[in-house]
Amino acid sequence: SAVISQKPSRDICQRGTSLTIQCQVDSQVTMMFWYRQQPGQSLTLIATANQGSEATYESGFVIDKFPISRPNLTFSTLTVSNMSPEDSSIYLCSVSPLSDTAYGYTFGSGTRLTVV
Amino acid sequence: TQLLEQSPQFLSIQEGENLTVYCNSSSVFSSLQWYRQEPGEGPVLLVTVVTGGEVKKLKRLTFQFGDARKDSSLHITAAQTGDTGLYLCAGLYGNKLVFGAGTILRVKS
Repeated sequence: SAVISQKPSRDICQRGTSLTIQCQVDSQVTMMFWYRQQPGQSLTLIATANQGSEATYESGFVIDKFPISRPNLTFSTLTVSNMSPEDSSIYLCSVSPLSDTAYGYTFGSGTRLTVV
Repeated sequence: TQLLEQSPQFLSIQEGENLTVYCNSSSVFSSLQWYRQEPGEGPVLLVTVVTGGEVKKLKRLTFQFGDARKDSSLHITAAQTGDTGLYLCAGLYGNKLVFGAGTILRVKS
């Protein structure tokens, strides 16, 4: 399965600023996803990062707040813009397997964001 | 509305006990996956079930997929302290993975 490197692993940011999270995969993957997770809770899908086109956002998430880039098949970034304390969470990127989506998705280790 | 209802949300048991976690939905999924997550890490796949009625065993863990492919269960036999973690069921909905609420399992020695 793919190996994901996600950076930074954690950050403490001032409200009103923006943070860009990077997700690097060691192989080419078709689908990349960004999730948000409160500690000890489940994952909520933010958006699907599409290579060569705009990301597809889930209900409740908008591009102005969470702009996403996907310049190639191995890399994506998620920016959390104009942060407020409510954005404090764990953000994870994930990739689907190339050949058969019935197999497991691989996740990065996550970025723990605290907004003060 | 949660597509996948997972229960219980929290489970605290003694080492050696058995437990079952349930994942239910009104929707049919093409596959259902179980993940385990430890603090500071991303979820790691335990198993994928694809066929209705399927049963898969992974050492002390037994996974079942309902005949109608709407529900699944995870049964752990003789739990160990190393089983402690967050267990998540996830259904493949189109090409998106939708997660249940998760079960925090704590196994005490």
